[in-house]
Amino acid sequence: EDQVTQSPEALRLQEGESSSLNCSYTVSGLRGLFWYRQDPGKGPEFLFTLYSAGEEKEKERLKATLTKKESFLHITAPKPEDSATYLCAVGDQAGTALIFGKGTTLSVSS
Amino acid sequence: GAGVSQTPSNKVTEKGKYVELRCDPISGHTALYWYRQSLGQGPEFLIYFQGTGAADDSGLPNDRFFAVRPEGSVSTLKIQRTERGDSAVYLCASSLSGANVLTFGAGSRLTVL
Repeated sequence: EDQVTQSPEALRLQEGESSSLNCSYTVSGLRGLFWYRQDPGKGPEFLFTLYSAGEEKEKERLKATLTKKESFLHITAPKPEDSATYLCAVGDQAGTALIFGKGTTLSVSS
Repeated sequence: GAGVSQTPSNKVTEKGKYVELRCDPISGHTALYWYRQSLGQGPEFLIYFQGTGAADDSGLPNDRFFAVRPEGSVSTLKIQRTERGDSAVYLCASSLSGANVLTFGAGSRLTVL
C-alpha cells in the first residue's frame, strides 16, 4: 500500500535559522513526488514536483530534493511569512490521485 | 475565473440532513478532483472527473456520497443522511487534462451537529 510519512509534525524556527522537513514514501512505482504549502483556512498551493532520484528544485528560500525513499524540503534563512503547513504527496498507482502525508506545520518567529 | 471557487465556505447541518457542496473549477481545466481534509490530516482523495465522467470514484467512503459534473465544468458533491464523522473540509481541485499539478480551492467546511 502506498504511504507517505512526514516528519516532524511541527517545527518552530527563529527567523534565519535554516532547517529541513522530511517526507518518506513507500510506493510501487513513483509517479511524482509533490510538495504543497497550506495556509490556515486555505487550500494547498503547489510548490514543486520531483520525478527521479537526484532531482532538485528551488524557489526562493525553498529547495526540494529527492532520493529513492524520501524527499527533503530545505528552508534556508526562513522568514515569518514562510510559516505554514507543508504537505508532501505522491501519485497513486492509477495515476489519478495524490496520496498526501499529514504535513509539517512550520512556525517561524522574528 | 482566476481560481477554483467553492461554495458555501461554511456549512453547519444536523445529523441526517442532505448537503450539497459546489465547485467551480478554473476555466479550461478538464480534470476535477474532490478531497476531504480532517483536522490535523492531509487531504484524502474522494473522486476524480475527466470531463463529465467520474474516471475514478474509489475514494468515496460509502454510497451516501455522490458527485456529478453534468456539463464538464461545475461539480457538486452530494452527501445524504449526514453523520457527525462527515465533518471536515471538503476541497476541490482542478488541473489541465489530469496532470497532477492541482490548483485547489479554499474548501467548504462542513460541520455536522
